[in-house]
Amino acid sequence: EIVLTQSPTTTAASPGEKVTITCLASSSVSNMYWYQQKSGASPKLLIYSTSSLASGVPDRFSGSGSGTSYSLTINTMEAEDAATYYCQQWSSNPPFTFGSGTKLEIK
Amino acid sequence: QVQLKESGPGLVQPSQTLSLTCTVSGFSLTSYNVHWVRQPPGKGLEWMGVIWSGGNTDYNSALKPRLSISRDTSKSQVFLTMNSLQTEDTGIYYCNRNRGYYWGQGVMVTVSS
Repeated sequence: EIVLTQSPTTTAASPGEKVTITCLASSSVSNMYWYQQKSGASPKLLIYSTSSLASGVPDRFSGSGSGTSYSLTINTMEAEDAATYYCQQWSSNPPFTFGSGTKLEIK
Repeated sequence: QVQLKESGPGLVQPSQTLSLTCTVSGFSLTSYNVHWVRQPPGKGLEWMGVIWSGGNTDYNSALKPRLSISRDTSKSQVFLTMNSLQTEDTGIYYCNRNRGYYWGQGVMVTVSS
């Protein structure tokens, strides 16, 4: 089973600040997906196939990476971006594990 | 439009069996895969398993002895059955499609006597 390690666990950013969340995989994966979850809501897909923006997602969000190291970047933090973020790997075979999550707060 | 909706009992007694239904609309189960994901209160997401468009299934190895996913394509429903429930199984259960592009609203399940 591929284990995903997200960092940081918790972070805070001021409006306009750049935020980067990292997801490290225990083995190489072919791509990474990123989700945003706000309190009381279902997760929402932000980034698919490592770097493609899901429909309707603001372009201040971006994803990158390869092999065992992936990242999600918010170019300019906005108050509405306060949420918990999860990575999920979609290697060729299940299980399709999630990272443990990164809670992002607004300063 | 694409919709998924989970339903099931809110409360299950320890050692009993959980049965959940994911009712979908806007697409055919023979064309798309449906995954189940759960989330304990205040904790992260856990991938539970998938029923592929062809009808095959795969499961999280930690849950495999207790978990079964099936479907009724004529009713556009996917079923999750998990036995020997314990308090650690308390949480919100979601179904999703398209590698998480579409999610249901989730259903809260509490395991308690």
